[in-house]
Parts: sequence; structure tokens; C-alpha cells
Amino acid sequence: DTAVSQTPKYLVTQMGNDKSIKCEQNLGHDTMYWYKQDSKKFLKIMFSYNNKELIINETVPNRFSPKSPDKAHLNLHINSLELGDSAVYFCASSPLIIGTEAFFGQGTRLTVV
Amino acid sequence: QKEVEQNSGPLSVPEGAIASLNCTYSDRGSQSFFWYRQYSGKSPELIMSIYSNGDKEDGRFTAQLNKASQYVSLLIRDSQPSDSATYLCAVTKSSNTGKLIFGQGTTLQVKP
Repeated sequence: DTAVSQTPKYLVTQMGNDKSIKCEQNLGHDTMYWYKQDSKKFLKIMFSYNNKELIINETVPNRFSPKSPDKAHLNLHINSLELGDSAVYFCASSPLIIGTEAFFGQGTRLTVV
Repeated sequence: QKEVEQNSGPLSVPEGAIASLNCTYSDRGSQSFFWYRQYSGKSPELIMSIYSNGDKEDGRFTAQLNKASQYVSLLIRDSQPSDSATYLCAVTKSSNTGKLIFGQGTTLQVKP
């Protein structure tokens, strides 16, 4: 009965490949996010969706494309992977778009070689 | 200036002591403040939220907020070795997009 689950947990791939990370939440939350945590542990928002609509799109390369088929799912597709994309990617959700805490998935450690 | 600043540490305290973790933020209109704990290799876990000036206590944890000074802190009483982790301060921007801005985290080490 995991609240926010993402798959896969680990992803090792070569430069230039395309990969996807899936995220699902069963909390009934309206808002979902993708965060990136770099090697220095700095956690930075990439995207936010509210009820399947894109709300926040930080200055992320357009090789990153989020997709939300419904409000319980937010997937992240990455084209033409680069070495610098190596990081831990966290999916999160929150009940409201404004001023509420986010609950995080277990993370996907992406390693680009 | 970073939007949310924390001392990266490590902050080392003996078991049973009070650990004090501090955070400052730059957006004066920020409304919501959170403390997350992150163990190595794990995801951030919410431990405290605070929305108004003053103190908020939950078990061994006390969050303190001073909006005038743009300062939020977390006190951990009777620190245990299991409290050893990175503590992340997070703040929502006043634009109310729900965007959480995180500090770089403070690593806490509680020595037995």
C-alpha cells in the first residue's frame, strides 16, 4: 500500500538512449511533481502537474518530457540521455497545489554511462 | 543569494543532547515551511510543518518560525543515533504555485 511509488528504482543506461520513469500515487492527491537530486544532495523541482495540467516547468531541457495520463500518474520521459542527467529523480505528490507538504516516492537513481 | 540556506554541516551532537538546525529564506512572502529528514539512499520524509510565527512541538521535535527574520529552525531534543540523517528545510514561494524550494540540507550526526 505504498503511497507514492516509482519505477524503476535503479536505471543504468548509455548516453544517447531514451528512458522513462513511472510514478503513481494512491493518496488521492491533485498535484504531482518531479524533483531532481544531484550528487551534492540538492533537491530541485523540475515539473508540477495539477489534475493532469502542467503548472510548473522549471528551466529543464526539452529532452525531459513529463506526461500525466490521469491525476494519479506522472511519468517522466528523457530523450538523448547525457552524462549530466545522472542523478536521483523523485516523484512527489501533495493534496493541494498551494502551500501543502509534498510526499515523496522512493526515488529512481539514474546513471548514464 | 540562495533562496533557502542551510549550513551543510556536519553537525555533530552527543546522544541525549539537543540538536539545533537552522534555515533562512529570501522570499519574504513565503507562507509554508517544512522540515524533511532524509536518510542516506532514501527519500525525503516529512517530519514537521509550520505556517505561523512561534513554536510548534511534535514529540521530540520543535519547529520555530520567525517571519520577520526570515528564519526557521528545528530543535531535536534527546537526540538519538537514529536521528543521524540529512535534514532538509523547504519553503513554498509566495507566488503560491505549490513550488517547494529546498535548502541544501544539514547533515546531523548523533554520536553514542
